[in-house]
Amino acid sequence: EDQVTQSPEALRLQEGESSSLNCSYTVSGLRGLFWYRQDPGKGPEFLFTLYSAGEEKEKERLKATLTKKESFLHITAPKPEDSATYLCAVRDDYKLSFGAGTTVTVRA
Amino acid sequence: SQTIHQWPATLVQPVGSPLSLECTVEGTSNPNLYWYRQAAGRGLQLLFYSVGIGQISSEVPQNLSASRPQDRQFILSSKKLLLSDSGFYLCAWSRSSFTSGGPGDTQYFGPGTRLTVL
Repeated sequence: EDQVTQSPEALRLQEGESSSLNCSYTVSGLRGLFWYRQDPGKGPEFLFTLYSAGEEKEKERLKATLTKKESFLHITAPKPEDSATYLCAVRDDYKLSFGAGTTVTVRA
Repeated sequence: SQTIHQWPATLVQPVGSPLSLECTVEGTSNPNLYWYRQAAGRGLQLLFYSVGIGQISSEVPQNLSASRPQDRQFILSSKKLLLSDSGFYLCAWSRSSFTSGGPGDTQYFGPGTRLTVL
């Protein structure tokens, strides 16, 4: 069975303090790794899709990278508006398997 | 552009009562549609998915059912709610493609319905 583990569960950052979130996965045949951002009480918002080891994607202060066993979401110089839960998911055939998420809080 | 709607936004129901949650997608045709449930502190759990009208696949045996009466409409139902049915229900859509790679994979989520069963 596919497993997706995200760490840490929670991350408290000072504004401007860069950090990284980890998503490790076990899947028989990876067909895409997805990052979403979820604000409290709202549906997840799509951020990135990565398909092969070595691939990188960037959007504003966020950068996602992928290896054969894990993905990192780097947050550079975060702002309070980056506070959210970040979800990682892997695709095997039609199905997405989600991790439990990392809740990021950025203090001004 | 595509948009996805869910209603109601919040719902409080007594145990044993029926349930109907609705999801509609605009701006695309023949989407794949999905129902997820999100419990506090846990990842999203896929409940049902559909590749076309009347075509429903169930992922988890449970007290719920799904139907797709129209191309862009997906309904989640229950005849008798249980306490364990409480949670945040999310509908999602993706372009009709099961092939690896490309924009067809990405699932886009609706705003969700918060269900509390008392």
